[in-house]
Amino acid sequence: RKEVEQDPGPFNVPEGATVAFNCTYSNSASQSFFWYRQDCRKEPKLLMSVYSSGNEDGRFTAQLNRASQYISLLIRDSKLSDSATYLCVVNLHQAGTALIFGKGTTLSVSS
Amino acid sequence: NAGVTQTPKFQVLKTGQSMTLQCAQDMNHNSMYWYRQDPGMGLRLIYYSASEGTTDKGEVPNGYNVSRLNKREFSLRLESAAPSQTSVYFCASSEKGSWKAFFGQGTRLTVV
Repeated sequence: RKEVEQDPGPFNVPEGATVAFNCTYSNSASQSFFWYRQDCRKEPKLLMSVYSSGNEDGRFTAQLNRASQYISLLIRDSKLSDSATYLCVVNLHQAGTALIFGKGTTLSVSS
Repeated sequence: NAGVTQTPKFQVLKTGQSMTLQCAQDMNHNSMYWYRQDPGMGLRLIYYSASEGTTDKGEVPNGYNVSRLNKREFSLRLESAAPSQTSVYFCASSEKGSWKAFFGQGTRLTVV
């Protein structure tokens, strides 16, 4: 089983749609959780951290369920500029480990 | 506002050649990382340095060596390049505590 699993998509949605991405992680000792965004042929960039209490940044809402080892990202009112690959990331905070990335979910928003 | 700087951005090597990828960060981060990204494989950790003077192997360390020269710089060396090392290489650094990572722009390496 992969450490961080995501549905690769692609998700093809019209502008204005609401879209949700899911991610599961296998190591219950994981301590930190993030969503990163990666545009084609560019470096990953931090989108937001994820907390058990849930957190929102404008049109983006992230949620963590530690019991189910499940992370979600909700994007409301999708824009063309949201088209990218979204990477789910966890960190064990243990010596010898680093950020562990899922393979990413591709979103394409069309007009 | 440089952040994480990688050089070179593009490189073509012949099988068996060696090269060093350079990475420097100006954010005073303790931890630095080297990842490779291949189609369908996602980002995979090659090596990691929690602090100056320490390095650890990641998921795919074979064929690579690293040096944490000082707090700012973390280099990745390919001693004898192989076609399987054709990839995009990303260097990253992270803040102590928050673990938020910031990436360089990547090096696109082709080994022929």
